[in-house]
Amino acid sequence: GENVEQHPSTLSVQEGDSAVIKCTYSDSASNYFPWYKQELGKGPQLIIDIRSNVGEKKDQRIAVTLNKTAKHFSLHITETQPEDSAVYFCAASNEAGGGADGLTFGKGTHLIIQP
Amino acid sequence: DVKVTQSSRYLVKRTGEKVFLECVQDMDHENMFWYRQDPGLGLRLIYFSYDVKMKEKGDIPEGYSVSREKKERFSLILESASTNQTSMYLCASSQRALDEQYFGPGTRLTVT
Repeated sequence: GENVEQHPSTLSVQEGDSAVIKCTYSDSASNYFPWYKQELGKGPQLIIDIRSNVGEKKDQRIAVTLNKTAKHFSLHITETQPEDSAVYFCAASNEAGGGADGLTFGKGTHLIIQP
Repeated sequence: DVKVTQSSRYLVKRTGEKVFLECVQDMDHENMFWYRQDPGLGLRLIYFSYDVKMKEKGDIPEGYSVSREKKERFSLILESASTNQTSMYLCASSQRALDEQYFGPGTRLTVT
């Protein structure tokens, strides 16, 4: 089955700086890669996703890049703000299989924005 | 807005008790999922269901069972709770298998 590794486990950045979280996956057939944000006391919420027919996707201050050859993908947050403080999870899955195995999540990154 | 609700935010049960965790979604989603979340381990899939009365094992199904008698409701059952099942349990739903998953707020279960 799929295995997703996520680094770092904790990331502290100054407000206004950029943050990068990296994930690697093991199954070369995986072609769907979402990122979820979990705020304290809440369930995770999708913030951005990418499919393997594109290499990069942006949504305002958030971007995700995908390198299928190296089997890694990254989340980039620019101009970080206090409300970006949360736990972020990457995930991977294979759409071709109908998603029958669901999503495999990384272990999460606790992002701390220092004022 | 999609809403996924879970029956309890906090639950304390004794070892050996039968425990039911209920999840309801209001968007007529086909797929529903149960995860457990533990510090340093992320989210791990216990069971999922892609249709009424259908269920599939996830990565860690041992010690759990599920029931989906109605489309909007997905129940997680701990037949005989054990202390190693103390965890945060998250329910999610999606229209298709790899669409955005909408999560409930979670149930923090403590087994003593």
